[in-house]
Amino acid sequence: DAGITQSPRYKITETGRQVTLMCHQTWSHSYMFWYRQDLGHGLRLIYYSAAADITDKGEVPDGYVVSRSKTENFPLTLESATRSQTSVYFCASSQVAGVRTGELFFGEGSRLTVL
Amino acid sequence: KNQVEQSPQSLIILEGKNCTLQCNYTVSPFSNLRWYKQDTGRGPVSLTIMTFSENTKSNGRYTATLDADTKQSSLHITASQLSDSASYICVVSSSGGKLIFGQGTELSVKP
Repeated sequence: DAGITQSPRYKITETGRQVTLMCHQTWSHSYMFWYRQDLGHGLRLIYYSAAADITDKGEVPDGYVVSRSKTENFPLTLESATRSQTSVYFCASSQVAGVRTGELFFGEGSRLTVL
Repeated sequence: KNQVEQSPQSLIILEGKNCTLQCNYTVSPFSNLRWYKQDTGRGPVSLTIMTFSENTKSNGRYTATLDADTKQSSLHITASQLSDSASYICVVSSSGGKLIFGQGTELSVKP
């Protein structure tokens, strides 16, 4: 039971480069989320998706792009990475009922460093 | 403004001791409150959920309380173990389905 997996776990890139973080879940959860976690800010929502082909912005979407062509995958792309996007990124998934109760299942995180 | 504030920011205790973490919120309308545990280098994992009508709920050595009138919750850890070292995050759900995260309390249990 793989659950929810993120790749890569660690990534170092340079300013201006495109980076894609992958997220895959095996539970067939309807909802998927991308958060970033920074010291002093806690977890902040970047984008979320209620189903395949349905995505919406969260609290801090600028500089990020998402897609969801399949229920199980929710990649996050930084089209032109900036140093301020250095962070730990968490993907999460949830059933419809879980969204109302805040029951999210998180991946292990992807630590991104932008030089 | 919907906010969740946790205190203390960090805490160091000796193994075997008890501790209490606090969570104050101003989220309205309130739906429920959930505590997550996040081990270093891992994703958060849910510990317990508190709904409006619940005052106390236990999960092993973890006991959560909720006072909906004062909008406060606490997480009490009994007989701490080294494996309790982690960040504990309070998350409040509004009735509209929005999740508001606290910044977390970093707990370090020393032998």
